[in-house]
Amino acid sequence: SAVISQKPSRDICQRGTSLTIQCQVDSQVTMMFWYRQQPGQSLTLIATANQGSEATYESGFVIDKFPISRPNLTFSTLTVSNMSPEDSSIYLCSTTPRRLARTDTQYFGPGTRLTVL
Amino acid sequence: SQQGEEDPQALSIQEGENATMNCSYKTSINNLQWYRQNSGRGLVHLILIRSNEREKHSGRLRVTLDTSKKSSSLLITASRAADTASYFCATDRGSTLGRLYFGRGTQLTVWP
Repeated sequence: SAVISQKPSRDICQRGTSLTIQCQVDSQVTMMFWYRQQPGQSLTLIATANQGSEATYESGFVIDKFPISRPNLTFSTLTVSNMSPEDSSIYLCSTTPRRLARTDTQYFGPGTRLTVL
Repeated sequence: SQQGEEDPQALSIQEGENATMNCSYKTSINNLQWYRQNSGRGLVHLILIRSNEREKHSGRLRVTLDTSKKSSSLLITASRAADTASYFCATDRGSTLGRLYFGRGTQLTVWP
């Protein structure tokens, strides 16, 4: 399996501020994905982050609110901008490591638990 | 939007019993996957079943897929207290780009 780490693991933020979440993979990967999990809910895909190109956002998510960087093949960041209490969620990154034969299987980071006051 | 629905949303059983969770989806798929999440932590992949497969086993897990009904089931046999978690199905909606779309999940509680 892949080792995926996220920073921070949790944070409490004031409304109107921004938080950048980091995702680090222990091997080079083509695509990285960012998901949001609101309290008691399932996971919703925010965007796909490709190295060398702009992220592709799902319906309902925009770059101004969730800017994403992908500077290299092992790292990505998601920023939650101008936060409101409705942004309180767990944010997870995931990827499919190249070295694995079963390329459909995704591995998830431990998540970042964000609380906005 | 959510891809599918899991049924039931919550399931409570005794150790040793079997747990069955169902998942329905709305679009064509290449494969369907089941994941487990403990207490709001990261997800762990359990099993993947491809659209041309009807049944798959992995240890105490048995997954079935009926593409004509757009539904899948996950059976956990001889459940243990450690199986207590949320279980999610996820599909690719027919895409090969790696994106996953998750169902609402089933919260399974196994009592010792």
